[in-house]
Amino acid sequence: AQSVAQPEDQVNVAEGNPLTVKCTYSVSGNPYLFWYVQYPNRGLQFLLKYITGDNLVKGSYGFEAEFNKSQTSFHLKKPSALVSDSALYFCAVRGSYNFNKFYFGSGTKLNVKP
Amino acid sequence: EAGVTQFPSHSVIEKGQTVTLRCDPISGHDNLYWYRRVMGKEIKFLLHFVKESKQDESGMPNNRFLAERTGGTYSTLKVQPAELEDSGVYFCASSQDDRENTEAFFGQGTRLTVV
Repeated sequence: AQSVAQPEDQVNVAEGNPLTVKCTYSVSGNPYLFWYVQYPNRGLQFLLKYITGDNLVKGSYGFEAEFNKSQTSFHLKKPSALVSDSALYFCAVRGSYNFNKFYFGSGTKLNVKP
Repeated sequence: EAGVTQFPSHSVIEKGQTVTLRCDPISGHDNLYWYRRVMGKEIKFLLHFVKESKQDESGMPNNRFLAERTGGTYSTLKVQPAELEDSGVYFCASSQDDRENTEAFFGQGTRLTVV
């Protein structure tokens, strides 16, 4: 069965500090991993994805994510947080079987304080 | 290029009433999905259209929910009669294909409140 866990409901970080939003997954077959962000009153916006190859994936707005197969994790990172990064972040997975649907985590609210 | 558009953005209805949500996908996207997020939990799959055909409706909660995509363009999701537990945010998404490495583009969601 496919599932995603985001263990932190909320992450607080000061502007300029590095940030990490955690995600672990369980999937049948090869994992295809995604991060989406939802800004207030906006839709889900695609940030980045891991398909294959380099374990460090770079995406929009300076975000990156590291795929770790042994730990089944796909943590989202940014070296220096901005106040404008404050939003709700969702990790999602598609497996190589039954891949027409995304399985999402419960979301992590990122608060970046000035 | 316009993104995925959903209407209305908010809806408040009484238990037992009917509500219809609409989704306009990105032009040319054959694949259209409905998802739902209830009470701050994970976003869950409801169903998947390829053009006008229902490819997968395994996530539909019960027969009070009816989705249509006549003509393979916009889609509607009707809840009749609505119950309190139907409250949540309903997201629509579209993509050009349904391969496992393809991201989907999501709308802003419809927040449904059943009172």
